[in-house]
Amino acid sequence: QSALTQPASVSGSPGQSITISCTGTSSDVGAYTFVSWHQHHPGKAPKLIIFNVSNRPSGLSDRFSGSKSGNTASLTISGLQAEDEADYYCLSYTSSNTWVFGGGTKLTVL
Amino acid sequence: EVQLEESGGGLVQPGGSLRLSCEVSGFTFSNYWMAWVRQAPGKGLEWVAHINPDGSEKFYVDSVKGRFTMSRDNAKKSLFLLMNSLRVEDTAVYYCARHMHETFDCWGQGSLVTVSS
Repeated sequence: QSALTQPASVSGSPGQSITISCTGTSSDVGAYTFVSWHQHHPGKAPKLIIFNVSNRPSGLSDRFSGSKSGNTASLTISGLQAEDEADYYCLSYTSSNTWVFGGGTKLTVL
Repeated sequence: EVQLEESGGGLVQPGGSLRLSCEVSGFTFSNYWMAWVRQAPGKGLEWVAHINPDGSEKFYVDSVKGRFTMSRDNAKKSLFLLMNSLRVEDTAVYYCARHMHETFDCWGQGSLVTVSS
């Protein structure tokens, strides 16, 4: 049950796009479409932003998009805004009937 | 409006026990899988356990197996996490979360558990 691999930090200027990767194995990310992304502002409840690889919850901005290739999933945020500064976590179901998060990526909006 | 509210956190000595609760509202609790997720200080999110709608199936992360027990009371719309033999490394904010869309779609604000002598 090792954490999925994410970059520790990424940064971008307002209006730019950034992509966060999430690498797992053929027993989790590579095996299922049950990959999601969660935004977490410290001290607040985490928020679901992408589910089933590339689907957005109702009402969420289309600036957030997700994809997957093999054992790696990706989250892209376009048109960066100051309020996007937060921690981002990927999550995948596993073949052991468990769930595993990525280590988290801190997004800084310059 | 969907709401989840954790309670029961606090300071406990190593080896001690604590029971967390999560009261929900705004949805039909008995229809959903539910989960506990934690975040240790300065660390990332970690899935702890999840339970099926009638409470008959439960799954745990290896580090808490045999020490933590997840349960639910559908009549009271409540979720529980009984934590025994607590260790310093169990110190974390514990969140309850609802399962939907094959992920956790709604989260509580969290309850802090501190294990320290």
